[in-house]
Amino acid sequence: ETGVTQTPRHLVMGMTNKKSLKCEQHLGHNAMYWYKQSAKKPLELMFVYNFKEQTENNSVPSRFSPECPNSSHLFLHLHTLQPEDSALYLCASSLRDRDYEQYFGPGTRLTVT
Amino acid sequence: AQKITQTQPGMFVQEKEAVTLDCTYDTSDPSYGLFWYKQPSSGEMIFLIYQGSYDQQNATEGRYSLNFQKARKSANLVISASQLGDSAMYFCAMRENNAGNMLTFGGGTRLMVKP
Repeated sequence: ETGVTQTPRHLVMGMTNKKSLKCEQHLGHNAMYWYKQSAKKPLELMFVYNFKEQTENNSVPSRFSPECPNSSHLFLHLHTLQPEDSALYLCASSLRDRDYEQYFGPGTRLTVT
Repeated sequence: AQKITQTQPGMFVQEKEAVTLDCTYDTSDPSYGLFWYKQPSSGEMIFLIYQGSYDQQNATEGRYSLNFQKARKSANLVISASQLGDSAMYFCAMRENNAGNMLTFGGGTRLMVKP
C-alpha cells in the first residue's frame, strides 16, 4: 500500500464551486508536491513545499491555492475552476535531499463541469 | 523545446521477453538526474530507477536497467523478462540541478504485455 494517500479519489465540481483536495504522507518525508496530469500534456509540476515552505510555484493560476500546514499534509484549494482544469491531480512526497525519489499518491480525478 | 521526449506512444511486448522504452532529453546543465516512473491503470506513479549524470555505471534495479548514453542524451529503460503486471504507462523524467526540486516529465509510453 502506498504511503501517500489522497482524498477524494474522484471529484466533480461546477465552475462556481469551492473544493479542496487533500494529501497525506506517512513516510516521514519533508517535501511535498502537487502535479497535474492532463490527457494530452505531459505531467506538470504545480507546487513544491520543503519543510512546509513553498519553494516552487510553476506559474499556476491563482484559482489553485496550496496549503501545507505541516510536513505530512498538503491541500489544494480550488475555486472558480475552468473545464480545462479537469485532470488527474497527483500528490507526491520525498526527503528533501532525495527529491529524485518521489513517492506518489493515487491521485484525484477532477472533472469541472 | 521539449526537454524530455518519449517517441513511442504505445508498445507491445510478449511476456518473458525484454523491451526497451526510449527517452531522450535536452539540457545544458552539467548536473542532472534521470528517472523512470510506472503508472498502472490505478493512477499512482511508482518510482522505478534513477541515473545521475555523473554516474559512471548504468543504473539497475531488479528487472529494470537504464541504458544511459550521455553523448546521445538518451536514457532508455530496459525491462527484462516482461510480466503481465508490467502493462502500464511509463514516464521518463529529468531533474536539472539548477531547477531545484522540479521534475520535468515526458509524454509517456503505454506498454502492453501480451500473454
